[in-house]
Amino acid sequence: KNQVEQSPQSLIILEGKNCTLQCNYTVSPFSNLRWYKQDTGRGPVSLTIMTFSENTKSNGRYTATLDADTKQSSLHITASQLSDSASYICVVSDRGSTLGRLYFGRGTQLTVWP
Amino acid sequence: EADIYQTPRYLVIGTGKKITLECSQTMGHDKMYWYQQDPGMELHLIHYSYGVNSTEKGDLSSESTVSRIRTEHFPLTLESARPSHTSQYLCASESSDLNRGETQYFGPGTRLLVL
Repeated sequence: KNQVEQSPQSLIILEGKNCTLQCNYTVSPFSNLRWYKQDTGRGPVSLTIMTFSENTKSNGRYTATLDADTKQSSLHITASQLSDSASYICVVSDRGSTLGRLYFGRGTQLTVWP
Repeated sequence: EADIYQTPRYLVIGTGKKITLECSQTMGHDKMYWYQQDPGMELHLIHYSYGVNSTEKGDLSSESTVSRIRTEHFPLTLESARPSHTSQYLCASESSDLNRGETQYFGPGTRLLVL
């Protein structure tokens, strides 16, 4: 069964600290993995997208890694800011063609305290 | 910034009413999607379209219907709203041109409350 599991479910950190969010998936065949940030009451916004051949991708203070062999990904946030408080969703696509579909994780709820 | 819009943003309506949630995008994307998301839960695909006059049901059974008469618009209709339809509805679009990347762009969502 194709699944995307994220951990932790929720995380509280102090402003300025770093944190790492985890994503494990069983989706096959694999096309790409995406990390989204979703602010409360808003739609998700794409942070990174990685294909099979990419191991890491950065977007400002966000760095995503991908290990396609172990089917694991992580999202590292550096020097956290209050505005980083949001839900971070891991999404895996099983194909690159028009037949591709997306599998969503439940997200990690990150809270950054001053 | 994504050019995808949803209206209304919030809707409170009584049981049995017919409602239409609007979604439009100005990016020329062929693919459009409707998701349902309850608080703290994952997104569930309820409808999708790969182009004009193309609509398919998603993974989550839904009593809603959609239409795709124009590339830009992908409205979702509930013929008779029920309290179980209370949720957040997210519209998304994606280019089928691989050179433009495969990122899905999401609208701001419509929060629906059925009394």
